[in-house]
Amino acid sequence: AQSVTQLDSQVPVFEEAPVELRCNYSSSVSVYLFWYVQYPNQGLQLLLKYLSGSTLVKGINGFEAEFNKSQTSFHLRKPSVHISDTAEYFCAVSVPMDSNYQLIWGAGTKLIIKP
Amino acid sequence: DTGVSQNPRHKITKRGQNVTFRCDPISEHNRLYWYRQTLGQGPEFLTYFQNEAQLEKSRLLSDRFSAERPKGSFSTLEIQRTEQGDSAMYLCASSSPRNPAVYGYTFGSGTRLTVV
Repeated sequence: AQSVTQLDSQVPVFEEAPVELRCNYSSSVSVYLFWYVQYPNQGLQLLLKYLSGSTLVKGINGFEAEFNKSQTSFHLRKPSVHISDTAEYFCAVSVPMDSNYQLIWGAGTKLIIKP
Repeated sequence: DTGVSQNPRHKITKRGQNVTFRCDPISEHNRLYWYRQTLGQGPEFLTYFQNEAQLEKSRLLSDRFSAERPKGSFSTLEIQRTEQGDSAMYLCASSSPRNPAVYGYTFGSGTRLTVV
């Protein structure tokens, strides 16, 4: 069975500091990997995705993530965070099901930016 | 097209009452998904439609839950005899006929249900 683990429920960081949000997955099949962001009282917005090719993926708002197959990880990074990055971040894997693909989600990591 | 629209945004109901939520997907998207998100958790898959056909149902979807997409456009999710454990954010997403892993899912803002 596929699963996604986000190791930190909350990550506090000072404004303009770098941040890494960790994500590990387990799967017996090849998967596609995603990071979504959820601002308060809003839906989920795609930050970036890994489908194939280069293991370093760049997304919106200055975020990037690196796919590491041997460690089954897909950690999200940003070199300098801004107060507007305060949100909850979800890692997800897309796995094939009978007629489509299904998203399996991590529990989320709240990014708290300290001024 | 303004994206995926969900109504209402918030719903407070008494235990035992029935509630119905609506999702209007992006017009050219033939695939529609319902997820449930409880506090401190990621979304959990509930059910999936391709056009009007309900192709997948999670075991989380008890007999009190029913979803429809009668004309392959908007969808409704009904919960009968609500329980406090049903309190959650209910998210709807849609995707195009092409591989959603490549072409993406679009999420609505959700309906937050509180059962008192």
